This record gives sequence, C-alpha cells and structure tokens, in this order.
Amino acid sequence: DARVTQTPRHKVTEMGQEVTMRCQPILGHNTVFWYRQTMMQGLELLAYFRNRAPLDDSGMPKDRFSAEMPDATLATLKIQPSEPRDSAVYFCASGSSLQETQYFGPGTRLLVL
Amino acid sequence: SQQGEEDPQALSIQEGENATMNCSYKTSINNLQWYRQNSGRGLVHLILIRSNEREKHSGRLRVTLDTSKKSSSLLITASRAADTASYFCATDASGSARQLTFGSGTQLTVLP
Repeated sequence: DARVTQTPRHKVTEMGQEVTMRCQPILGHNTVFWYRQTMMQGLELLAYFRNRAPLDDSGMPKDRFSAEMPDATLATLKIQPSEPRDSAVYFCASGSSLQETQYFGPGTRLLVL
Repeated sequence: SQQGEEDPQALSIQEGENATMNCSYKTSINNLQWYRQNSGRGLVHLILIRSNEREKHSGRLRVTLDTSKKSSSLLITASRAADTASYFCATDASGSARQLTFGSGTQLTVLP
C-alpha cells in the first residue's frame, strides 16, 4: 500500500529554533508539493518540485523557509528561525506528471511557542 | 491564494440524507478535483472532472461542472456517519505543472 510518509508527525518548539520536516513521496512519483494549512488561510501551496528540481516556491517566505529534495525519496522543508505565526499543519503531497491527482501525507503539526 | 470558494462552510445533516456542496472558482481550468479530509488526517482524492465534462459519478458521489458559471457541485447520496469530514474542491489551471489551488472547504457533519 503505497503512501506518502512525513516525519515528525508533531513538533513543539520555541521561537527562534530551526525546524526540519521530512517527506518520503510515493515511489515512482516525480512531483512533490509542500502545503501549509491553517484555520485562517486554509491550504496554501508553499513550494513544489518536479524530478527533484524546484518549479515554484513563490508561496514560501524566502527569508526563513527553504525546501530541498536531496534525492528522489526525500523532500525537506526547513524553517529557520521559526516564529509563532509558523504554527500550522504542513502537508507533503506527491504525484506524477502523468496523473492529475495528488497523494497527501498525514502532515506535520507544528507548534511554535 | 485560494481560487475556490466553497459553500456552505458547514453542513449538518441526518444519516441517509443527501449532502450537496458547491464550489466556485475564478479562472479557466483544466480539471477540478474534490478531496476529503478527516480530522487530523491528510487529504484524500475523491473524484476528478475535466473541463470538457459536465457530470461524473463514482459510487455515492456525483460531481457536476459548469464552466460557464465557473462552479462545481459535489453530491453525496445516502450519507453515512463515516462521511463526516471536510471536503475541498481543487482546481488545476496549470496544465502540465499539475499544480492545484484548493478552496476553503465545507465541513460536513452526518448525524447518526
């Protein structure tokens, strides 16, 4: 049963600390998306990659957020330094350039104190 | 930014009744998709309708698309308590990029 996995599932940290979230896309998927979900803003696209290359990261605050895909099985989203307003659920989704649908991971629930 | 706006924001019905959710969007699209999110979980794809289609069925789900009005509806027939979740429409206007823009969602509660 192929699934997108995300770690950690929950993270509580203090303002100013670095946060790293990891995502393992479904094997064979060549597109990875990072989303942020909050009550106020809903689901926002932060960045996405195709074949490990960043295609669009315009939704991401550049000064503190960075997204990378060091290999085909791992995508990372880093926040440094973290701020309370970054508290949200961060989802990774993967897909294929041959399909229109996206497959979501369970999310990382981040709380920045 | 959100392209889709969903209506209603929240819907509460009795088990066995039908639930209808609506989605409006702003730009031309290639396809529109509906996703479901259970509390504390990731989104799960339900159904996709292409811009040249007007209606599509999958089990108890029926989706319609009116491109002239830039709107879509999701009908869940004979609802069950297990259908309780948030439902999101997502539009693909990006072509090969496969980028989706999600609506604000409808919270559906099905009472047993």
